[in-house]
Amino acid sequence: NAGVTQTPKFQVLKTGQSMTLQCAQDMNHNSMYWYRQDPGMGLRLIYYSASEGTTDKGEVPNGYNVSRLNKREFSLRLESAAPSQTSVYFCASSGGGGPISNQPQHFGDGTRLSIL
Amino acid sequence: KQEVTQIPAALSVPEGENLVLNCSFTDSAIYNLQWFRQDPGKGLTSLLLIQSSQREQTSGRLNASLDKSSGRSTLYIAASQPGDSATYLCAVKASGTYKYIFGTGTRLKVLA
Repeated sequence: NAGVTQTPKFQVLKTGQSMTLQCAQDMNHNSMYWYRQDPGMGLRLIYYSASEGTTDKGEVPNGYNVSRLNKREFSLRLESAAPSQTSVYFCASSGGGGPISNQPQHFGDGTRLSIL
Repeated sequence: KQEVTQIPAALSVPEGENLVLNCSFTDSAIYNLQWFRQDPGKGLTSLLLIQSSQREQTSGRLNASLDKSSGRSTLYIAASQPGDSATYLCAVKASGTYKYIFGTGTRLKVLA
């Protein structure tokens, strides 16, 4: 029962470097999400994908890009990392049929990213 | 713009106490509300989801209620245990969207 798997778990980058955070779910869920969690600010949605082949911006998309590679995988890319992107990144997925879905979200254990 | 608030930010109680965690939201046009638990260094675990047409949901020692008209939800934990120590977050899903808006959480410590 893997659920939602995120890699890597920890990463340290220098300003200006790029990297891709990986996320995969094995629950056959349609919707996938990327959040960042910062102290005192709660979780904020970066991007989401309602279904394979579609992606949409969330609350804080600037500086990020995403790819919904297939139904299982949803990656988040930082093209030119900045210290303000130091955060804990969570991927989540949920089943059901889109906006009218009442299926709960399932989360991975997160990627702790530090940008120096 | 929907805002979700959780007060208090932190709470310490002795083992065995019944307790209530609060979640308030500014826009009553929600599709559902979800309560999560987060342990240190871990992701979020879904505890209960209440649909907008429901008043409450129960799972074991947990009971969550929803009052859309007043913009409030409560999570009731009966007979608290040290293992309940964690951060509890609520999130609301706006009607017609895929998006969840999260509160900043209540950090609970249950003392043995």
